[in-house]
Amino acid sequence: DSGVTQTPKHLITATGQRVTLRCSPRSGDLSVYWYQQSLDQGLQFLIQYYNGEERAKGNILERFSAQQFPDLHSELNLSSLELGDSALYFCASSPEGNNQPQHFGDGTRLSIL
Amino acid sequence: QQPVQSPQAVILREGEDAVINCSSSKALYSVHWYRQKHGEAPVFLMILLKGGEQKGHEKISASFNEKKQQSSLYLTASQLSYSGTYFCGTRPSNFGNEKLTFGTGTRLTIIP
Repeated sequence: DSGVTQTPKHLITATGQRVTLRCSPRSGDLSVYWYQQSLDQGLQFLIQYYNGEERAKGNILERFSAQQFPDLHSELNLSSLELGDSALYFCASSPEGNNQPQHFGDGTRLSIL
Repeated sequence: QQPVQSPQAVILREGEDAVINCSSSKALYSVHWYRQKHGEAPVFLMILLKGGEQKGHEKISASFNEKKQQSSLYLTASQLSYSGTYFCGTRPSNFGNEKLTFGTGTRLTIIP
């Protein structure tokens, strides 16, 4: 158990819809990262938040947005969903410091029908 | 720039040794190694920082050659539990807004 909690575990929805993925980081971790992993692919970095502020951005689509709340949990919002958005979405958290281990949650599997 | 991992896949018998390589076209500050079993979350293995140090964790160790912009992960006397996909992640600097970029992964299968 990494201590990072992601909900829901599975999400099935249709094209054009909007969904929200939630992540609670490990106790004490200030950084939250979001990754997308398509079938048998690598981990594509989407975005990082540190203590409520956006710190780094990857190839995140304009249809996607995220935020980190004062209690440090984070949400990833995906809108106008397309078939290609079907993937495993991971959240990870780490303590303060640039080269700390990232601890991953179990992921949310998003299926677009 | 995404680091390149080699080999893409390898099958070994239990007890054999494996080497997984990670190369970057950019200068590196740090290399991070993770293992992901099928259907599970990636799990942290180790971080190597600029300086060419070698790290070890039981029978898994790694080296980092900053001049060659390469890192290698060594798995000695592999066990069935070592099966999974290994990812390296690289950071070109120590700036706070520098993201970790993961390679495409190396699938390791250990057979009895």
